[in-house]
Amino acid sequence: EGQLVESGGGLVQPGGSLKLSCAASGFMFSGSGIHWVRQASGKGLEWVGRIRSKGKNYATGYAESVKGRFTVSRDDSENTAYLQMDSLKTEDSAVYYCTRYDDTATISGLDYWGRGTLVTVSS
Amino acid sequence: DIQLTQSPSSLSASVGDRVTVTCRATQGLSNYFAWYQQKPGKVPKLLIYAASTLQSGVPSRFSGTGSGTDFTLTISSLQPEDVATYYCQQYNSVPLTFGGGTKVEIK
Repeated sequence: EGQLVESGGGLVQPGGSLKLSCAASGFMFSGSGIHWVRQASGKGLEWVGRIRSKGKNYATGYAESVKGRFTVSRDDSENTAYLQMDSLKTEDSAVYYCTRYDDTATISGLDYWGRGTLVTVSS
Repeated sequence: DIQLTQSPSSLSASVGDRVTVTCRATQGLSNYFAWYQQKPGKVPKLLIYAASTLQSGVPSRFSGTGSGTDFTLTISSLQPEDVATYYCQQYNSVPLTFGGGTKVEIK
C-alpha cells in the first residue's frame, strides 16, 4: 500500500518562504506524478500544482493563484517531492496534501494521499 | 480554466435512500474525471476515476456516470458511514480543478 508523508509546514510571516517535502514509499515513485492540493480551514479542496514523472518529461503545472510564487520539484533518488512556496500570502494558509497519480496507467485518479501539513501565514 | 459546479451543496437523506450528486463543467471533458470522498477530519479518498470506474476497495453502492459536461455520483443505498463531503474533479487539463463539494448527512 502506498504511503505519502508531508513535512515542513509551520508558521511564516507574509512575504516569507517555506519548503514542503513529500516522502513516498510502497509504490513506484519514479513512475508517478505528484500533485499538491490544499484545503483552508472549513473550505473545499484546491489543486495547487503538480510534477509529472520522468516518462512524462517532469512536466509541471500550477494553479493561477500560485503561479510564479510556488515551485514543485522532485528527487527520484530520494523518493521525495517538494513544494517551494515563496512570497507567501495570508490566503495561502491551509493544510497542504501531496497526492499521487500513476503516470504509467492508461488513466487513473489521485489514489494515494498524505495526511497533510499545516501552513499558517500570519504576522 | 475549467470550472466545476456541484449540486446540491448539501443534502440530508435517510439510511437506505438513493442519493445523487451532480457536477457540471464549463467545457466538455474527456473521461478524465473523478469523485472523492472526505469524511470529517479525514484525508480525501478516491472513489471513482475515469468518470465511471470504481476505485479498488470502494463499495459497489457507489457509481459514477456522465460524459461531456455533466457527471453524476450515485449512492444506491445511503449508509451511516457515507456521511462525508464529496468532491468532483477534472484532470482533463491544467489547471486541474475541484468542485465546491457536496456535504451528505443522515436525516
